[in-house]
Amino acid sequence: DVKVTQSSRYLVKRTGEKVFLECVQDMDHENMFWYRQDPGLGLRLIYFSYDVKMKEKGDIPEGYSVSREKKERFSLILESASTNQTSMYLCATQATRGGTEAFFGQGTRLTVV
Amino acid sequence: GENVEQHPSTLSVQEGDSAVIKCTYSDSASNYFPWYKQELGKRPQLIIDIRSNVGEKKDQRIAVTLNKTAKHFSLHITETQPEDSAVYFCAASKENTGFQKLVFGTGTRLLVSP
Repeated sequence: DVKVTQSSRYLVKRTGEKVFLECVQDMDHENMFWYRQDPGLGLRLIYFSYDVKMKEKGDIPEGYSVSREKKERFSLILESASTNQTSMYLCATQATRGGTEAFFGQGTRLTVV
Repeated sequence: GENVEQHPSTLSVQEGDSAVIKCTYSDSASNYFPWYKQELGKRPQLIIDIRSNVGEKKDQRIAVTLNKTAKHFSLHITETQPEDSAVYFCAASKENTGFQKLVFGTGTRLLVSP
């Protein structure tokens, strides 16, 4: 049974703070993704990684960075949190063999005040 | 890059009716099309998927159809039940490429009334 665990379910941070969102998976999947979910906008891809230390920008990378030092862990970093980054953040993993199921974490609802 | 459009954004049906959700994609190289269901407060989960070498796939009350020429695919739910109420997302990606970037549509909120 795949487990994708995000470090926090709810998070409140102040404007300008540096924020770290962590995602850990136990299935040895190569691909890992960070999405942002907002009402009416669906799941928008922020960054993804297909290998350790490899990363690719998604559709909305501005204001974010990522780190993948180990295969099982993919971190999303908000360098200087802003109120427009208040959102639900979802991590997902997928085996590198194409056309396989993506498994999501439980989500982190981040509020920036 | 790939762009996936999804319609309608909300859909209300009576229990027992059928529901259809439609998606279009822009990249003709996309060849894998999954559908995810997200119940309230829960994570998205795969319910069915289809590859470009298949025109239709069924799994009990749900089916997905694909029209590669029109770059269009649809989710069909028959005999809807209240537990089908959720947000449904379509997605597209390129299977067996260097990395499979999964692009989602904007979601459809389905409400099934008893």
